[in-house]
Amino acid sequence: DARVTQTPRHKVTEMGQEVTMRCQPILGHNTVFWYRQTMMQGLELLAYFRNRAPLDDSGMPKDRFSAEMPDATLATLKIQPSEPRDSAVYFCASGFRGGSGNTIYFGEGSWLTVV
Amino acid sequence: DAKTTQPNSMESNEEEPVHLPCNHSTISGTDYIHWYRQLPSQGPEYVIHGLTSNVNNRMASLAIAEDRKSSTLILHRATLRDAAVYYCILGYFHYGGSQGNLIFGKGTKLSVKP
Repeated sequence: DARVTQTPRHKVTEMGQEVTMRCQPILGHNTVFWYRQTMMQGLELLAYFRNRAPLDDSGMPKDRFSAEMPDATLATLKIQPSEPRDSAVYFCASGFRGGSGNTIYFGEGSWLTVV
Repeated sequence: DAKTTQPNSMESNEEEPVHLPCNHSTISGTDYIHWYRQLPSQGPEYVIHGLTSNVNNRMASLAIAEDRKSSTLILHRATLRDAAVYYCILGYFHYGGSQGNLIFGKGTKLSVKP
């Protein structure tokens, strides 16, 4: 089965360090989403791309977070500098617009702990 | 974005049907109703979606009210593996438009008892 692949699966880092999370969307999908999940806030949409162009990143703290799609097979989410409050599970999801009410497929998440 | 309202939690017995309700009174004409579920320590997974008519697939059925202001996800025979958080989401996935995201609420935590 095709799946969204995220790396790293787990990351523990010190406050102030740069963190880069990577996502390989399902081949052929033209839309990529980044979500963050915490116990307090639940699932929050950080940003999403269509055809590699950012469509909406209003959910992302701009001062320290950045999201890019260098090519169609790779999406990155970078945090610099990281803070303890960034500790969360970060999910990447991908989908394809074709037909109607398209579904999106999630990766298994990158579990980030900032100490 | 239109909002949905779901009960925080529900319980079911194994092998019995489960009806998970969702209210979405401010739904727009272009909003699809999506259901996802999240098993412990996993990413959300697609369950089903619909627009106006009831829908069935191998996982579940989706019953949509005639005025579309509410819907019900039906698991015909709950198993222990169905214990998860179920999210009801409104979204429109339109190529070329600024819409197309799915905004998750808190969902319903379903517990299944043996």
